[in-house]
Amino acid sequence: EVQLVESGGGLVKPGGSLSLSCAISGFTSSSYSMNWVRQAPGKGLEWVSFISSSGSYTFHVESVKGRFTISRDDAKNTVYLQMNSLRVEDTAVYYCARGHGGNSWFDSWGQGTLVIVSP
Amino acid sequence: DIQMTQSPFSLSASVGDSVTITCQASQGISLRLNWYQVKPGKAPKALIYDASNLVPGVPSKFSGSGSGTDFTFNITSLQPEDVATYFCQQYDTLPITFGQGTRLEIK
Repeated sequence: EVQLVESGGGLVKPGGSLSLSCAISGFTSSSYSMNWVRQAPGKGLEWVSFISSSGSYTFHVESVKGRFTISRDDAKNTVYLQMNSLRVEDTAVYYCARGHGGNSWFDSWGQGTLVIVSP
Repeated sequence: DIQMTQSPFSLSASVGDSVTITCQASQGISLRLNWYQVKPGKAPKALIYDASNLVPGVPSKFSGSGSGTDFTFNITSLQPEDVATYFCQQYDTLPITFGQGTRLEIK
C-alpha cells in the first residue's frame, strides 16, 4: 500500500525555519517525481515544489523561490522541504504528493502537516 | 501563470441529485486538466485525469469532460460521503495551478 506521511510542521515566528519530511513506503521512491502542495486556511490548493525522480531537476513556485528547497534521499525513502525566512502567508497544511507519469497529476497524497507562522 | 476559475464557489444539493462544477482556464490547455476531492483532515484524492479519464478505483458516478479552456466535472447520485471540496488542476504550463475549489454540501 502506498503511504506518504508528512512530519515536521509546527509553530514558528516570521523569519524562522522549518524542515518538513515526507516518509515514503509501498513503492520505490526513486521511480517517481515528488511534490509539495499546500493549502492555507480557508484557501485553495497551491503547488509549491517539485523534484524529479532522479533528483536532478527541481522547481519552486515564485512565492517561495530562494526561501524553500526541496530535496530527496531515496536511500531513506524520504523527501524534504527546507523552509527558511518563513512568512505569515506561508501558514498552511503542507501535503506531500506523488507525481504520476510526467508529473501530470498527483496520484497519492499524504494527510498533511500544519505549519503556522505567527509572531 | 495560467489562472483556473472554478464555479460555483459552493453548492448545496440533495441526496440522489446530480451536480456539475465548471473550470475555465485563462488560456488553452488541451486536455491537461485533473480533478481532486479534498475532505478535512484527509489526504486529497485524485478522481479524474486528462480531463475525462477516471482514476482506477474511483466510482463511475464521477466524470469529467471538456478541452481547451472549458471543462466540467459531474457527480451523479449524490451521497453524504461526497461532501468535500473539489479542485481542478492544470499541468499544461508550469507552475501547476489549481482552481479555487468548489465546496459541496448536502441539503
